Amino acid sequence: NAGVIQTPRHKVTGKGQEATLWCEPISGHSAVFWYRQTIVQGLEFLTYFRNQAPIDDSGMPKERFSAQMPNQSHSTLKIQSTQPQDSAVYLCASSAGDTQYFGPGTRLLVL
Amino acid sequence: GQQVQQSPASLVLQEGENAELQCNFSTSLNSMQWFYQRPGGSLVSLFYNPSGTKQSGRLTSTTVIKERRSSLHISSSQTTDSGTYLCAMEANYAQGLTFGLGTRVSVFP
Repeated sequence: NAGVIQTPRHKVTGKGQEATLWCEPISGHSAVFWYRQTIVQGLEFLTYFRNQAPIDDSGMPKERFSAQMPNQSHSTLKIQSTQPQDSAVYLCASSAGDTQYFGPGTRLLVL
Repeated sequence: GQQVQQSPASLVLQEGENAELQCNFSTSLNSMQWFYQRPGGSLVSLFYNPSGTKQSGRLTSTTVIKERRSSLHISSSQTTDSGTYLCAMEANYAQGLTFGLGTRVSVFP
């Protein structure tokens, strides 16, 4: 069991560029979650999918952020026109029902 | 305000000492989870604990859902226990977690 895989581990973008973050959940897990971690705000829920369907995106900034899960083996989080305040560690988690298992995160730095 | 309150914010221990970390929730919840994180490291799940007491090695988690609180007890602390302990609530089954700000634990020899 390789655990939740996230790529890239680090990403540096210029202000205004697009960033796409990838997550591969644990095989067999039906739910995939995205979170964002910053020193100031801590860990914040963004969105989640169950059986590839979007269930709750209440934590997603309404503009510029979008998430998809085109198949059961991966999900993407896309940030358009990145801003310095988007700098954070983006974490993906998967679950088979109760315990959520987290990936190592993608550290995004927007210059 | 914060839905999940953790205390203390930080804790310094000498190796061998015990510690109790607290987590209080301002709203009703279905369950909660405890995590451990090293600086720059991944979140490691310690307990998924909807109610009662669970033990794993030197760690014990006790959740009283009706009172909206949970605690994590570390016995005979070791330097390798240093890191941040986070609790998170699950308002409804299998939905997104709401996290506290964590308790930073430092254990010195």
